[in-house]
Amino acid sequence: DVKVTQSSRYLVKRTGEKVFLECVQDMDHENMFWYRQDPGLGLRLIYFSYDVKMKEKGDIPEGYSVSREKKERFSLILESASTNQTSMYLCASSLGGTVYNEQFFGPGTRLTVL
Amino acid sequence: DQQVKQNSPSLSVQEGRISILNCDYTNSMFDYFLWYKKYPAEGPTFLISISSIKDKNEDGRFTVFLNKSAKHLSLHIVPSQPGDSAVYFCAAKGANNLFFGTGTRLTVIP
Repeated sequence: DVKVTQSSRYLVKRTGEKVFLECVQDMDHENMFWYRQDPGLGLRLIYFSYDVKMKEKGDIPEGYSVSREKKERFSLILESASTNQTSMYLCASSLGGTVYNEQFFGPGTRLTVL
Repeated sequence: DQQVKQNSPSLSVQEGRISILNCDYTNSMFDYFLWYKKYPAEGPTFLISISSIKDKNEDGRFTVFLNKSAKHLSLHIVPSQPGDSAVYFCAAKGANNLFFGTGTRLTVIP
């Protein structure tokens, strides 16, 4: 069974704080993704990574950065949290390659920025 | 701009009846479509998919239909069960990632 874990289920931070969201997968997947889920907007891709130290911008990268130093770990960083970054953050992973491979999601981190 | 749209935010169905969830997309280059199911406090889980070369894919109680000319897909659940109550997202595969719809909350009434 693929397991994708996220470091926190709930997080409350203050405006201007630096925030780290951690994601770990245990299936040796090449690809990892960070999404945010907002009511009425569905899931939107922030960043993804197809290999260690590689990253690509998704649809809404502004205000975020990522780090992938090890294959199993993909971190999302909010350099200076703002209230409009209050959201549910979902991490996912999948096998790499040229064909589509199913994405497996973690349980999500609900971040509130005050 | 939303490339994948689910125009019904919610749907209620009696247990045993058919649930039909709809999804529209705008990009004719999408070649693979998926449905994900999400329970509260859990991440989305893959449910069923369809390639653009097909118009129907069936897996047990779940069937996905694709109408490429209308850029429309639908998920049929027959018979609906209370355990099917969840938020359903349709998604389309882009070059490197998935584009998700806004979700439809299905409630199956016992």
